Amino acid sequence: ELKVEQNPLFLSMQEGKNYTIYCNYSTTSDRLYWYRQDPGKSLESLFVLLSNGAVKQEGRLMASLDTKARLSTLHITAAVHDLSATYFCAVPKGGSQGNLIFGKGTKLSVKP
Amino acid sequence: DAGVTQSPTHLIKTRGQHVTLRCSPISGHKSVSWYQQVLGQGPQFIFQYYEKEERGRGNFPDRFSARQFPNYSSELNVNALLLGDSALYLCASSFPPRGEKLFFGSGTQLSVL
Repeated sequence: ELKVEQNPLFLSMQEGKNYTIYCNYSTTSDRLYWYRQDPGKSLESLFVLLSNGAVKQEGRLMASLDTKARLSTLHITAAVHDLSATYFCAVPKGGSQGNLIFGKGTKLSVKP
Repeated sequence: DAGVTQSPTHLIKTRGQHVTLRCSPISGHKSVSWYQQVLGQGPQFIFQYYEKEERGRGNFPDRFSARQFPNYSSELNVNALLLGDSALYLCASSFPPRGEKLFFGSGTQLSVL
């Protein structure tokens, strides 16, 4: 059974600091997705990682995928308050991206 | 282009009632998936439909059913509502089932009293 685990589940950061969120998954997958969710809102796609060694960056966020280790990381550089949200990683079950298995999410709070 | 649209945005029902949630995918998208998100948890897969056929089903009871119409819009039906069905129901669409991105709608917040 495919399981996706994120850590930490809660993260309180100061503005300007760096931190990394980790996402481990239990079975082979060649792709992984990162989403952002603001309170009461839907999911916003951040990154789609499609192969081993894939690295993508957008602003202060950088995501990477190691399919051999079954590990993805989301690195936050010089955090700002606007990054406060819940971040989810997700892995497709059976190769179908319509059937995603999500982690429990990492609730990020960036404080001045 | 409009994104994934869902209706209604909020709904209050009582235990035992039936509910129908609706979803219109992005124009040109043929795959629709439904997810349930309980407060404080990640979304949980319920169904996927592609070209009007069920392509996947999550671990939900038979009280949950869905269908996809010729215009690729979709309905999620839940019978005999329980308190535990209170959640945000999200619809997502993509072009093919293995398309690169899954686009989510704003969701329907269902409260069961």
